Amino acid sequence: GESVGLHLPTLSVQEGDNSIINCAYSNSASDYFIWYKQESGKGPQFIIDIRSNMDKRQGQRVTVLLNKTVKHLSLQIAATQPGDSAVYFCAEKSHGNNRLAFGKGNQVVVIP
Amino acid sequence: DTAVSQTPKYLVTQMGNDKSIKCEQNLGHDTMYWYKQDSKKFLKIMFSYNNKELIINETVPNRFSPKSPDKAHLNLHINSLELGDSAVYFCASSQDRQTDTQYFGPGTRLTVL
Repeated sequence: GESVGLHLPTLSVQEGDNSIINCAYSNSASDYFIWYKQESGKGPQFIIDIRSNMDKRQGQRVTVLLNKTVKHLSLQIAATQPGDSAVYFCAEKSHGNNRLAFGKGNQVVVIP
Repeated sequence: DTAVSQTPKYLVTQMGNDKSIKCEQNLGHDTMYWYKQDSKKFLKIMFSYNNKELIINETVPNRFSPKSPDKAHLNLHINSLELGDSAVYFCASSQDRQTDTQYFGPGTRLTVL
């Protein structure tokens, strides 16, 4: 299930199940979106990105979905593993703007 | 073969001191960034340099001064440290200012006592 912790929304998922992490963005001019994974004590690590001319992109065990109509982005992780436990961030950027704007992180806890 | 590296990893210091954090990237990228991550994990950009030229300077106290001796290095110097400066600072780089994907360093946890 999903619960809201003191600081970060937390998703607890059984090992082997699929995870879905959601992100809402507000800037309709954003044309680039990226997901990062941050493990405890480490820096954000690139997972997958997508441009606004696409609505779906797949990587290894991960899929990003983009719904521009409702300004929503999601990250799906297939067959979640203990190593997937981390904080996941979405970020957006608009053309010509150097700034990546990060969303609030989502904590994923994988239960063995 | 670390791509983006930072030193030190941990920095504990007293209020009022001056400290520096160093960042190096061996990716051949032109653009480098400094981010601050607060206790709630929120990541906010502070500065960006492109080929040693400052291109982003967010609303950051001028006690913070970035320095880029060459395009592979972007250091962050902080004067007169305050309690509120305690955070994790991340360096990142991208191919150039147009390229969107940024690669992050391991972070420097700064604790001001």
